[in-house]
Amino acid sequence: DTAVSQTPKYLVTQMGNDKSIKCEQNLGHDTMYWYKQDSKKFLKIMFSYNNKELIINETVPNRFSPKSPDKAHLNLHINSLELGDSAVYFCASSPLDATYEQYFGPGTRLTVT
Amino acid sequence: QKEVEQDPGPLSVPEGAIVSLNCTYSNSAFQYFMWYRQYSRKGPELLMYTYSSGNKEDGRFTAQVDKSSKYISLFIRDSQPSDSATYLCAISLSGGSEKLVFGKGTKLTVNP
Repeated sequence: DTAVSQTPKYLVTQMGNDKSIKCEQNLGHDTMYWYKQDSKKFLKIMFSYNNKELIINETVPNRFSPKSPDKAHLNLHINSLELGDSAVYFCASSPLDATYEQYFGPGTRLTVT
Repeated sequence: QKEVEQDPGPLSVPEGAIVSLNCTYSNSAFQYFMWYRQYSRKGPELLMYTYSSGNKEDGRFTAQVDKSSKYISLFIRDSQPSDSATYLCAISLSGGSEKLVFGKGTKLTVNP
C-alpha cells in the first residue's frame, strides 16, 4: 500500500512545453510538499501546503504552480519548460505538527530536451 | 555561509566498520535535527530525528547533536552492504510549519 505516490515516474519533454506531475498521499497527513533534487543530489523545498493552503513558497519561478484540490493531493504544473528544470521532483507529506517526519514519494525524473 | 554543510564524500568502508557522518549548521535557533537515508533512484526516508541536544540510539544507528558546536553526527555500527545509500542531514527551526533545510548528502558504500 503506497503511502505517497507520484505520477508519472519519468517525464521527457521538449523546451517550451507545459507539463503536470500528480501526487497523492494516503497517510491522512495535513501537510504536503514539493522538492526539487538537482543533478548534484541537492534537495531543496519548493512549496508546502497545509490543508490546501499555501504555507511555504520558496523563490521558485512563477512558471511553477502548485495546486491542492484536497489535503490528500498536491499537483505541480510547470509552464514553458526550460533545460534547467531537468531534475527529480519529490512530493512529500507530514503530520501538521511534525514537519521533521516527512514521507517522500518515489520521485518524478523530468528531462527537458 | 550556507545554513547546513555536509561533506558529500563519497565514503567507502568495509563491512563491519563504524561509520561517522557529520554536518555543521550556522543558525543556533535550529531545534530539530534529522537524518534521512536515500537509496539510489528512491525517495528519502526518515532514519532518526533529535530534538535539541543529546544522543538518540536506534539499533545500529546513533544520532548525536552538539548545539554548542553546531555539529550533528550519525554513527552506524557494524555497517552492512545494505547501508549503502546517500545520507542527508536536515534541520528545522521547529516541529510546526517550518521548512526542512537539507545538507547535500554523503554517499556511503559499504563493501562486502
